[in-house]
Amino acid sequence: DIVMTQSPDSLAVSLGERATINCKSSQSVLYTSNNKNYLAWYQQKPRQPPKLLIYWASTRESGVPDRFSGSGSGTDFTLTISSLQAEDVAVYYCQQYYSTPQTFGQGTKLEI
Amino acid sequence: EVQLVESGGGLIQPGGSLRLSCAASGFTFSSYAVSWVRQAPGKGPEWVSCIGDSGGSTNYADSVKGRFTISRDNSKNTLYLQMNSLRAEDTAVYYCAKGGTTKCYSHIDCWGQGTLVTVSS
Repeated sequence: DIVMTQSPDSLAVSLGERATINCKSSQSVLYTSNNKNYLAWYQQKPRQPPKLLIYWASTRESGVPDRFSGSGSGTDFTLTISSLQAEDVAVYYCQQYYSTPQTFGQGTKLEI
Repeated sequence: EVQLVESGGGLIQPGGSLRLSCAASGFTFSSYAVSWVRQAPGKGPEWVSCIGDSGGSTNYADSVKGRFTISRDNSKNTLYLQMNSLRAEDTAVYYCAKGGTTKCYSHIDCWGQGTLVTVSS
């Protein structure tokens, strides 16, 4: 199984500042035949299901504010929130869908 | 609007069986892979199983293989999860989740609200 490891486990950032969350996979999730990284980012607020933010490592889901961006390739990925807003307080998960079982990171709790 | 509505959760004794259902609407159900993802209290999501658009391809987590069976009825726009030999560690909120493509190798672009399964004597 591919192990996804996020860092840090928790993060406190001031309003308007940049937040950066890292995700590392135990093996590459880059499918060379189509040059796509099979990596997604989700946001989960209390008592809600996860919400898709980013897929293919860097494609923003429709309706997601452009302050959210994803980057990276192969085994190392980053979710960046360029200017933190109060509504961004949540737990963030990365997920690989390169192979089954699909696996999630342990989560990063983002606070103000 | 895409909607996924789970049902069938509840309290069940260890060793028992339960069948979850997920009613889908707002999209062409037969054109997308769908999955079950669970989340134990205070834990992160855990992928359980996925079924391809036609139902011909299924995948399972090792933790449920041989005990759980995923299926779909495209004529009814409904996804199922038959859960047998339930254990305490299966206690979780079970989410129905829509994939972004026809295959199981896809991100999840929509989640239901979940149904709670509690395995306890």
